[in-house]
Amino acid sequence: RKEVEQDPGPFNVPEGATVAFNCTYSNSASQSFFWYRQDCRKEPKLLMSVYSSGNEDGRFTAQLNRASQYISLLIRDSKLSDSATYLCVAYNFNKFYFGSGTKLNVKP
Amino acid sequence: GAVVSQHPSRVICKSGTSVKIECRSLDFQATTMFWYRQFPKKSLMLMATSNEGSKATYEQGVEKDKFLINHASLTLSTLTVTSAHPEDSSFYICSASDAGAGGNTIYFGEGSWLTVV
Repeated sequence: RKEVEQDPGPFNVPEGATVAFNCTYSNSASQSFFWYRQDCRKEPKLLMSVYSSGNEDGRFTAQLNRASQYISLLIRDSKLSDSATYLCVAYNFNKFYFGSGTKLNVKP
Repeated sequence: GAVVSQHPSRVICKSGTSVKIECRSLDFQATTMFWYRQFPKKSLMLMATSNEGSKATYEQGVEKDKFLINHASLTLSTLTVTSAHPEDSSFYICSASDAGAGGNTIYFGEGSWLTVV
C-alpha cells in the first residue's frame, strides 16, 4: 500500500467553481502534512501546510482528519491560474512521502 | 525565502557516459537533502536521502552504484548518474530540509531534465 494516495483526476471545473481534493495516508505516525502545487514540467512549490485545526489561506482551505487519516484541500472561486497538479505530502521520520498528484483543469 | 538551486537545468548526454547534477541550498544549511525522479505524468519518486557527512540512504530498487550521491557540505549535494542509458532519461529534482526551521520544511530545486541519447 502506498504511503500517500490521491485521486489522479483530472478535475475539470469552470472558473469560479469550488473544488475539493482528498488524500489518504497509511502511517498513523505521520507528523506533518503539506499541499504542494506542481505546474507542468516545473518543480513542486509549497502551497500550504496542513494543521489539525484546519487552516485557510485566501481561497484555499486545508483540513486534517487524523482519525480517518486523510487530508483535504478546498479551493474556492477557482481561477484559470489554479490549473496545476496538487500533491499531497506526509512527513514521517525525516522522510517526505508524496502522493501521485491530482490534476486540476480550470476552464473559462 | 529559502532557495535551492539545481544545476544543470537541462542536459543531454550520450549513452554510457556519466552526468553530475548539483543541488545547492543558497541561504540555509541543509543537513538533509533528497533526490527524486519523475517520469512524465507520474509522481515524484524518492530515490535517496542524502545526509551531510555520511552515506546516502537509497530507496528500495534504486541502484546505489549507478546513482552516486555525495553530500560533502551543508550546502551541496551531488547526484551522478553513471553509465547513463536512455531509460535513465527523466526529470531529477532535489530538495533540501532546512535544519534551522526544525527540519520539516522542504524546498525544491528547479529540477534537471536529463536526456540520454
